[in-house]
Amino acid sequence: EDQVTQSPEALRLQEGESSSLNCSYTVSGLRGLFWYRQDPGKGPEFLFTLYSAGEEKEKERLKATLTKKESFLHITAPKPEDSATYLCAVSGSGTYKYIFGTGTRLKVLA
Amino acid sequence: DAGVIQSPRHEVTEMGQEVTLRCKPISGHNSLFWYRQTMMRGLELLIYFNNNVPIDDSGMPEDRFSAKMPNASFSTLKIQPSEPRDSAVYFCASTLGGGGNTIYFGEGSWLTVV
Repeated sequence: EDQVTQSPEALRLQEGESSSLNCSYTVSGLRGLFWYRQDPGKGPEFLFTLYSAGEEKEKERLKATLTKKESFLHITAPKPEDSATYLCAVSGSGTYKYIFGTGTRLKVLA
Repeated sequence: DAGVIQSPRHEVTEMGQEVTLRCKPISGHNSLFWYRQTMMRGLELLIYFNNNVPIDDSGMPEDRFSAKMPNASFSTLKIQPSEPRDSAVYFCASTLGGGGNTIYFGEGSWLTVV
């Protein structure tokens, strides 16, 4: 059964303190791994799509990486405005379904 | 470009009343998803449409829930009668095709049933 597990559930960082969020997955034939950011009272906002192991993508202070079993979202020198819930999702072959993790709630303190 | 548009953004209703949530997908997208998000269960897929046809409604919790997509630019999710346990955020999302393509979410409809 396709599954996504995110860790940690919650993370508190000081401004400038770099860290990584983890997304472990099991899926039959990965077609895509997706990272979203969700602010309170808003819908998930798309960040990155990764398609194959070894792929990396960057946007400002965020960098997403992918292996055959997990993905990491690296946050470099975070700022308070990076505080949000970060969601990971996967899509497997032969299915239209997108399986979401329960997210990591990130709080960056000034 | 306009994203996925949902209405109403907030709805407070009494138990037993009918609730209708609306969604306009991104123009050109042919796949539409309705999700429900709660603290306990995260994002749950309720129903998936492709080319306006319901493909999988196995996530719809009960017969009280129904969804339609009369055309490529409009979908509704209806709850009748509503119950307090239906209180959640309901998201609509769309994409072109499916599978490995990125899905884009609306801002959600926040439903409270009292």
